[in-house]
Amino acid sequence: GQNIDQPTEMTATEGAIVQINCTYQTSGFNGLFWYQQHAGEAPTFLSYNVLDGLEEKGRFSSFLSRSKGYSYLLLKELQMKDSASYLCAVEDSGAGSYQLTFGKGTKLSVIP
Amino acid sequence: DVKVTQSSRYLVKRTGEKVFLECVQDMDHENMFWYRQDPGLGLRLIYFSYDVKMKEKGDIPEGYSVSREKKERFSLILESASTNQTSMYLCASSLGHQPQHFGDGTRLSIL
Repeated sequence: GQNIDQPTEMTATEGAIVQINCTYQTSGFNGLFWYQQHAGEAPTFLSYNVLDGLEEKGRFSSFLSRSKGYSYLLLKELQMKDSASYLCAVEDSGAGSYQLTFGKGTKLSVIP
Repeated sequence: DVKVTQSSRYLVKRTGEKVFLECVQDMDHENMFWYRQDPGLGLRLIYFSYDVKMKEKGDIPEGYSVSREKKERFSLILESASTNQTSMYLCASSLGHQPQHFGDGTRLSIL
């Protein structure tokens, strides 16, 4: 089976840095995705990691350790518009082709 | 840009009705997915398809069926709607292992 854990809620201050963790246990691994979802809107793709290490994309970075079953999303210079839910999703090579299993999401609130 | 279009943003139906949710993508993606999203439960996969006329069950297929007659269109069917199927339904498409692109969602209420 698959199990993906991430914190339910986090609060951070505008201009600060926040790290959202994700741990997973899957029978296989083809990659890990991070999505952002604003309230009432569709999820939008943020980042993809398939190899260990850090992927940087502007203010957002994502890290993966396959041996530890661990990833994090790092958001720098937080802005009010970053208030959203952040979804961690794993593509499990043991499941159906290209199928993603999502965590329950982390609701981030950015306060002034 | 990839465009995934779901036919309705809001839909209200009655218990026992047959309900059709339509999804169309314009990027020739081979993979298409239907999820439902509920508070505290996250996104759960109902069905997916990786080719025309192909379908695979996801984690929660009971009470649902799907149809993929053309590559660009993936339909979700609630055979006999029940109140526990009130939810946000999201369609997505992807090419190979590329990221999935989501539609805006259909908020379905079953009365």
